[in-house]
Amino acid sequence: EDKVVQSPLSLVVHEGDTVTLNCSYEVTNFRSLLWYKQEKKAPTFLFMLTSSGIEKKSGRLSSILDKKELFSILNITATQTGDSAVYLCAPQGGGSNYKLTFGKGTLLTVNP
Amino acid sequence: NAGVTQTPKFQVLKTGQSMTLQCAQDMNHEYMSWYRQDPGMGLRLIHYSVGAGITDQGEVPNGYNVSRSTTEDFPLRLLSAAPSQTSVYFCASRLGHGIDGYTFGSGTRLTVV
Repeated sequence: EDKVVQSPLSLVVHEGDTVTLNCSYEVTNFRSLLWYKQEKKAPTFLFMLTSSGIEKKSGRLSSILDKKELFSILNITATQTGDSAVYLCAPQGGGSNYKLTFGKGTLLTVNP
Repeated sequence: NAGVTQTPKFQVLKTGQSMTLQCAQDMNHEYMSWYRQDPGMGLRLIHYSVGAGITDQGEVPNGYNVSRSTTEDFPLRLLSAAPSQTSVYFCASRLGHGIDGYTFGSGTRLTVV
């Protein structure tokens, strides 16, 4: 059975802080790992990681994958109140459906 | 280009009633999926489709049916609603072949009383 563990489950920081969110996984026929941000409604896509050690960046967000140790991290620098959300990690397995298995998420709260 | 459109946004059902949650996408995506999201449980896959005429079960398929007669539409049918089906339902689509992330609809909040 595929497993995804995200940590911490919740995190409260002040604006300007840097945060690191963790995702460890066990997935059959791993292909890639996706990160999503979920505010009050639908998850929105952030990154897809397929190769170990190659950092993906988008503004203040960055992410990296370690396929040997089976984990990924999502970094957010200079946090803003608009970064408050649940961050979801979803490794993607093989087979015909490229199934996504979602973690339970990390709830990030950024206080002014 | 509307993306993924789900209707209705909210619904209250009585136990035993049936209904269909609608999902349509206009991006010519091959892959479509239905997820439910419950507090503390994350997103769980109900059913998915890799193309018109092809569907398969996900992690929690019991009590739900799907069909995919066209590329655009992927309705989810609740056969006989139960309180355990109270949840937020998301439809998602992607181009295919694992080359991109899923685009999610805005969700349907379903309450079964």
